[in-house]
Amino acid sequence: NAGVTQTPKFQVLKTGQSMTLQCAQDMNHNSMYWYRQDPGMGLRLIYYSASEGTTDKGEVPNGYNVSRLNKREFSLRLESAAPSQTSVYFCASRDSTFGNQPQHFGDGTRLSIL
Amino acid sequence: AQKVTQAQTEISVVEKEDVTLDCVYETRDTTYYLFWYKQPPSGELVFLIRRNSFDEQNEISGRYSWNFQKSTSSFNFTITASQVVDSAVYFCALSEVSQGSNYQLIWGAGTKLIIKP
Repeated sequence: NAGVTQTPKFQVLKTGQSMTLQCAQDMNHNSMYWYRQDPGMGLRLIYYSASEGTTDKGEVPNGYNVSRLNKREFSLRLESAAPSQTSVYFCASRDSTFGNQPQHFGDGTRLSIL
Repeated sequence: AQKVTQAQTEISVVEKEDVTLDCVYETRDTTYYLFWYKQPPSGELVFLIRRNSFDEQNEISGRYSWNFQKSTSSFNFTITASQVVDSAVYFCALSEVSQGSNYQLIWGAGTKLIIKP
């Protein structure tokens, strides 16, 4: 059972470079999320997609863009990476068809911007 | 505004001791959900429990138990007879059901639990 798969697991970028973090889920979930986690802080929501074809900003969207490619895939793009974007990025998905089901997370992408 | 506070930044206990992780939340909604997640040293986030605001019944799952008290806006997590494998960062989170919230999670800062052998 793959669940939520994130690629890559680790990445080092230079300031100004661009990159796309990939996320795919095989649980047929409607909603998907991108978070960042910084030391000593909880997770902060960057963007989310309530359903295929929709995306919305979260708490910290500046410097990021997202694409909900299809129901399975939700990518996060850094157009011009900055050192402040060094973080661990988590993708999550949730079954939003009824109730408030929990979010299920990928293993994270550890991103360093030099 | 909604908020989740985990005042204990780090807790260290010796194996087999009981330990309680505190979570206090703020919300104006009458309907909401509370969650606990575990993040072991390997880094993944593991869902532990979900509780809705209408169900104040405490829950026990093996060595884990949760005490939900609306009167004090708290949702505390107790590990009985702790084990080294319980060492992790534990997060409490709140999800409101108000229109437009889209059930987004509001996270506490986490409590790092260290279980010493």
